[in-house]
This record gives sequence, C-alpha cells and structure tokens, in this order.
Amino acid sequence: AQSVAQPEDQVNVAEGNPLTVKCTYSVSGNPYLFWYVQYPNRGLQFLLKYITGDNLVKGSYGFEAEFNKSQTSFHLKKPSALVSDSALYFCAVRGTGANNLFFGTGTRLTVIP
Amino acid sequence: KAGVTQTPRYLIKTRGQQVTLSCSPISGHRSVSWYQQTPGQGLQFLFEYFSETQRNKGNFPGRFSGRQFSNSRSEMNVSTLELGDSALYLCASSLEPSVYNEQFFGPGTRLTVL
Repeated sequence: AQSVAQPEDQVNVAEGNPLTVKCTYSVSGNPYLFWYVQYPNRGLQFLLKYITGDNLVKGSYGFEAEFNKSQTSFHLKKPSALVSDSALYFCAVRGTGANNLFFGTGTRLTVIP
Repeated sequence: KAGVTQTPRYLIKTRGQQVTLSCSPISGHRSVSWYQQTPGQGLQFLFEYFSETQRNKGNFPGRFSGRQFSNSRSEMNVSTLELGDSALYLCASSLEPSVYNEQFFGPGTRLTVL
C-alpha cells in the first residue's frame, strides 16, 4: 500500500522568508513522488517530481524538494516566499504498479506581506 | 499547446438524476485519469483510461463509470446522484501510463447535488 502524509494543515510564512511544506510517504516499492499546487477555483498545477536520481529536485516557480529515503520524506522548499505563493499544496505518490496518484490532505500556505 | 479542458465547469443537479462530465486531454496525451475532490475525503482516484480501456479503478460504487474515445477524450458518468456526490471532479492527462510521466490537471467540474 502507498500513502503520503502532510502533517501541517496550515503553514504561515513572512514574505521573503524561506518556506517548507512537509510530506512523508509510505510505499512498498520505489517511491515516485510529486508536488502539486492548487489556487482557488482552479485545478492542480504540477510543480515537480522525484522519480530517481538526485535527491534535490528543482521545479517550477523557484520551488524545490528534497527527497530523503532514510526519513521517507519529500519536503517542498523555496528560498524566498512570495505573497503569490499562497495556495493549497498537495504531495502525492504514484500507486505501485499503477499510474494513479495518492494525494495527501493538503497544506494551506499563507505568505504574509 | 492547450491544457486539459473540462466541460461543463459548473453543474447543479438533484438527487436521483444522472450526470455526464467531459474531458479533453492535452493534444498527444493518451492517458486520462479522473479524481474526486471533497473537503472531507480530499482527492480520491476514480479511474484511469488508456487506449479506450479502463486500466485502473478506485474504490467508488458502480454508479460511477467512464469511457474514453478513440481521440483520447473521456467522459465520466454518475447515475442516481446522491448528496455526497457533490464535489470537484478533476480530469488529468499524461502522455501514456508511465511512472515517469506527470499528470496535468484540468480546471475541474464543480458538481452540486441538491
């Protein structure tokens, strides 16, 4: 079975400060991990993915994520937060032997001006 | 290149009715997946289609069905609507079913069941 957990429902950060949105995963095989962002009344936008290779993955809009196998984590990071980064962030893991995604419960990020 | 399009964007139905939602994937994408998003259950996988065949199905009752056409467009149908079916239904496309391919999501269809 596979699942992801996002332990924080809400993260607040001041504009210009670094941000981290946490995600831990549980899979029975190789982890294929994704981050998506959702703005109000919109679908999900792909940010980045980890399939294999370097543990630090760079994605869209200045976001990056660090894959940590020993801690089974895939935290999303950005060095300097923008007010426009305020949105709902979802971590997801691909199903074992399947193409579908299992999503976390989401973390609402608020960047305070 | 145009993104994933979903029609209609908003729907209001009453209990017992049925509804059909449509999804057009990104040009060249042949895999289409459907997800349901609700405040209580979050994002849940409904089903996935590739080459007009259902490859995978989530844990939803048989009232939820779908299909894919030869041009990769997909439809999902919900029969005998219940209040709990009120949700945002998201369609996602990818080039083909592969662990290497990310899914691109449409804006969703917001279904309200009264």
